[in-house]
Amino acid sequence: DAGVIQSPRHEVTEMGQEVTLRCKPISGHNSLFWYRQTMMRGLELLIYFNNNVPIDDSGMPEDRFSAKMPNASFSTLKIQPSEPRDSAVYFCASRLLRDRGETQYFGPGTRLLVL
Amino acid sequence: AQKVTQAQTEISVVEKEDVTLDCVYETRDTTYYLFWYKQPPSGELVFLIRRNSFDEQNEISGRYSWNFQKSTSSFNFTITASQVVDSAVYFCALTLYNQGGKLIFGQGTELSVKP
Repeated sequence: DAGVIQSPRHEVTEMGQEVTLRCKPISGHNSLFWYRQTMMRGLELLIYFNNNVPIDDSGMPEDRFSAKMPNASFSTLKIQPSEPRDSAVYFCASRLLRDRGETQYFGPGTRLLVL
Repeated sequence: AQKVTQAQTEISVVEKEDVTLDCVYETRDTTYYLFWYKQPPSGELVFLIRRNSFDEQNEISGRYSWNFQKSTSSFNFTITASQVVDSAVYFCALTLYNQGGKLIFGQGTELSVKP
């Protein structure tokens, strides 16, 4: 079975450019999470969706970040405009929402470098 | 506030040695879930184990074992007869029943197993 799919795997862009990260959750999963990993802050939750509805976006750093989940098979995380401090690895994770402690399965991550 | 502490930043062992990775968590909630994830050099996050707060049974899976002790708020991970392929960063994480699934990660322990 396919796991969580993320694209692109690597992205290098210049400050001020728009960046769009994509995620396809595991088929049948109905809960999706976006995390960011940096050396300084470790792994932190940005936003999560249940049944395509954003539930908690308190971790989104600022208005430059936005996330959507138009359907159960696809989500995007957009940064506009990007800044060097956005450089990080962005992970998408999905789970089947049966109980609140269900395991989240992570994608391979997108390594973003903003110059 | 909830917190996960992995006090060991780096551990280096020689192959076939046993090694224990410590994890201490803080929460006032009575219902919560604990996880361990492995992040090998390739960068993905691999799920290892999930435990709920009502299940204090220790678990063994091959060379891996986990010791959950609520009395000390610890969820330690032991690798027996370590192998070079065990070299990775290991993360302990906590989620609360009433937080909808947000994972709170420790800072990770980098394990290096030398031949």
